[in-house]
Amino acid sequence: EVQLVESGGGLVQPGGSLRLYCAASGFTFSSYEMNWVRQAPGKGLEWVSYISESDSTRNYADSVKGRFTISRDNTKNSLYLQMNSLRAEDTAVYYCARGAGGVWYTFDYWGQGTLVTVPS
Amino acid sequence: DIQMTQSPSSLSASVGDRVTITCRASQSIRSYINWYQQKPGKAPKLLIYAASSLQSGVPSRFSGSGSGTDFTLTISSLQPEDFASYYCQQSYSTPTFGQGTKVEIK
Repeated sequence: EVQLVESGGGLVQPGGSLRLYCAASGFTFSSYEMNWVRQAPGKGLEWVSYISESDSTRNYADSVKGRFTISRDNTKNSLYLQMNSLRAEDTAVYYCARGAGGVWYTFDYWGQGTLVTVPS
Repeated sequence: DIQMTQSPSSLSASVGDRVTITCRASQSIRSYINWYQQKPGKAPKLLIYAASSLQSGVPSRFSGSGSGTDFTLTISSLQPEDFASYYCQQSYSTPTFGQGTKVEIK
């Protein structure tokens, strides 16, 4: 069974940093693209970042470019999101989402999410 | 970025009703659109990918159609477990989502 479990969320002051983790199991992690998608409280979904299977490609939404860094460790079946210079508008539930094999930017499995709160 | 405009933003329907949700892209995205269902407090679930392909395990009452800029998600006979929010998402370029459609009980 595919499982994605996020952790690392919490309350952080504006300008602070946080590192999110996503532990993957039930599939061959190194064979799949991975993404982070966020959802502000009561709002819609926003794609944040993408990383290819071998970490050869990383993409970011304009709203986080230069502040967030996606990475992965295929030996540990883990995905990460380093978030720096956090702002109130970064407050959201952050989901890790697996890229469906062979279908560009399609998210077939999602974790339960981890909440990041940045007070204004 | 490509803008995705969903309509309606909410609707009320009864069990057994046929429900249609539309999504319009700000430019042609060919068939690069996905549909997700999200229940309160839960992660989104992929329903339809590439405009009309049913994700494994999703009931056949869900269907998708369209190409270019105009797309539709149809639930042929609404079931109690279908009351949720639905989002379209384009995968033609940097992904963007529609604002969502909340399906409520009439």
